[in-house]
Amino acid sequence: GENVEQHPSTLSVQEGDSAVIKCTYSDSASNYFPWYKQELGKRPQLIIDIRSNVGEKKDQRIAVTLNKTAKHFSLHITETQPEDSAVYFCAATAGKSTFGDGTTLTVKP
Amino acid sequence: GAVVSQHPSWVICKSGTSVKIECRSLDFQATTMFWYRQFPKQSLMLMATSNEGSKATYEQGVEKDKFLINHASLTLSTLTVTSAHPEDSSFYICSAKGGSGSYNEQFFGPGTRLTVL
Repeated sequence: GENVEQHPSTLSVQEGDSAVIKCTYSDSASNYFPWYKQELGKRPQLIIDIRSNVGEKKDQRIAVTLNKTAKHFSLHITETQPEDSAVYFCAATAGKSTFGDGTTLTVKP
Repeated sequence: GAVVSQHPSWVICKSGTSVKIECRSLDFQATTMFWYRQFPKQSLMLMATSNEGSKATYEQGVEKDKFLINHASLTLSTLTVTSAHPEDSSFYICSAKGGSGSYNEQFFGPGTRLTVL
């Protein structure tokens, strides 16, 4: 089955800095890669996604890149703000989604 | 659009009892629903995938006789934790595919926190 690895597990940045979270996957059949933000005790919220026929996608301060050959994808958050603090999960989807272990992002004011 | 609800949002029960959790897609027809389990500070672990009118597909290691899933309609799936034990205490989250999102996008319910005493 699919195996998704996510790094780092924790990330602390100063407000205004950029944050990068990386994921690798194993199943070449995965064709959809969403990123979720989850605040404590709440549901995961989709923040951006990318499909396998696209290499990069950007939405304001958030961008995702995908290297299908190397089977890795990354989340980039620029100009971080304290409200960006949360746990972020990547997922690789081939029918069903397999999630990474999560990254706890802390943005210090 | 694409709202998913879960009921109850939290439940406390005695060991040995059964608990039913409902997952509803409120404004769209969900072709597929997923059930996840999440322990504190851990990731979402897929328990099973259910399609309306057919038997759920369980992930390896998930006991289908303990976690009964019924997907009787395109808007409702239920998860019943039978003979619950303290180790079943967890955050259970459902998600649904369909609606206005891309065919791959999942919409998550708010989760149900189960505590078994």
